Amino acid sequence: DTAVSQTPKYLVTQMGNDKSIKCEQNLGHDTMYWYKQDSKKFLKIMFSYNNKELIINETVPNRFSPKSPDKAHLNLHINSLELGDSAVYFCASSHPGGHEQFFGPGTRLTVL
Amino acid sequence: ELKVEQNPLFLSMQEGKNYTIYCNYSTTSDRLYWYRQDPGKSLESLFVLLSNGAVKQEGRLMASLDTKARLSTLHITAAVHDLSATYFCAVHPSGTYKYIFGTGTRLKVLA
Repeated sequence: DTAVSQTPKYLVTQMGNDKSIKCEQNLGHDTMYWYKQDSKKFLKIMFSYNNKELIINETVPNRFSPKSPDKAHLNLHINSLELGDSAVYFCASSHPGGHEQFFGPGTRLTVL
Repeated sequence: ELKVEQNPLFLSMQEGKNYTIYCNYSTTSDRLYWYRQDPGKSLESLFVLLSNGAVKQEGRLMASLDTKARLSTLHITAAVHDLSATYFCAVHPSGTYKYIFGTGTRLKVLA
């Protein structure tokens, strides 16, 4: 049973394109997150939703837009992709209030 | 600015040796997490430390937390090759929803 799943696992695309990454969790958690891990392995939070409500919106370009249709799903849409967007994007989920997070397998995005 | 710093950033050690990874943080946090990441893989939760003085052990790894010093340690005993990975600490600053991750420590255990 996959706890936190992401699709696609790999995404290769041209600059200027628009792409989406999907995330689903079956752990019954209320809170979901998107992280970006750069080439130096630094992990930075981008967004978080708690029960479909946006609670964290870090200083990321507004080309990135998260959407949570329900508390088990959190998607990330990226417009006008740039070279600097190349990274691994991780989805995670947890119970609210600082409980441990469970991470998805990651989506490696390469922008050419 | 909230900072979580780990040292060392890179660690190459012989099998059978002991070593400690340090995690310092600059904000008030009563929870600290340790994760492991293998190359090309996701993050796996190792320990959740919930209070000052907390100590947890799993196999050759032992983690501790000193909230007054804002310091956590991950001690490796008698390292084996399978422990080679990148280890991250993370804090949950009090009163926020955020998790702030450390810079990571890339551990390589040489046979």
